[in-house]
Amino acid sequence: AQSVTQLDSHVSVSEGTPVLLRCNYSSSYSPSLFWYVQHPNKGLQLLLKYTSAATLVKGINGFEAEFKKSETSFHLTKPSAHMSDAAEYFCVVSEKAAGNKLTFGGGTRVLVKP
Amino acid sequence: SQTIHQWPATLVQPVGSPLSLECTVEGTSNPNLYWYRQAAGRGLQLLFYSVGIGQISSEVPQNLSASRPQDRQFILSSKKLLLSDSGFYLCAWSVRGSRQETQYFGPGTRLLVL
Repeated sequence: AQSVTQLDSHVSVSEGTPVLLRCNYSSSYSPSLFWYVQHPNKGLQLLLKYTSAATLVKGINGFEAEFKKSETSFHLTKPSAHMSDAAEYFCVVSEKAAGNKLTFGGGTRVLVKP
Repeated sequence: SQTIHQWPATLVQPVGSPLSLECTVEGTSNPNLYWYRQAAGRGLQLLFYSVGIGQISSEVPQNLSASRPQDRQFILSSKKLLLSDSGFYLCAWSVRGSRQETQYFGPGTRLLVL
């Protein structure tokens, strides 16, 4: 069975400082991992995905994530937060053995202070 | 390019009334289609998915049903709404048969049942 844990339900950062959103996963086989962002009252937008190629994945809007199998982690980072990054972020795991069904983490809400 | 539409964007309905939410996808053929619900302050729950016209799989028992009358149309329905049906409903699509089947989400419908 697959599962995802986002270690922080809320993260507060100042504009221009780094952002770190932590995600740990559990999967029986080689998983695919995703980060999605959701702005208020909007749908989910794909930020980036890991599919067993390069372990450091670059996404949109300056975000990147590193897949660490030994730590079963897929943390999301950005070097410098922008006010527009204020949103909720979801870490998601998928594996073929589970029919490619997505399992979502509980979400991390990011607040960016001016 | 592919786009996904949902309507209506918001809906306020009385308890016991019927429901019909529509999702359509453009720019792709034979997609997998999904309905999710996001309750306030909670993650996403998969409700239904479909791999083809008339083929619907239900993930959780509930007061809702889904139909796929056309290849790129997915409808979520209810005969009698409950208060607990309130939430944010998201439709998603993925390319069938792709290795990791990234899901792309629509803008969502916010439903409030009073």
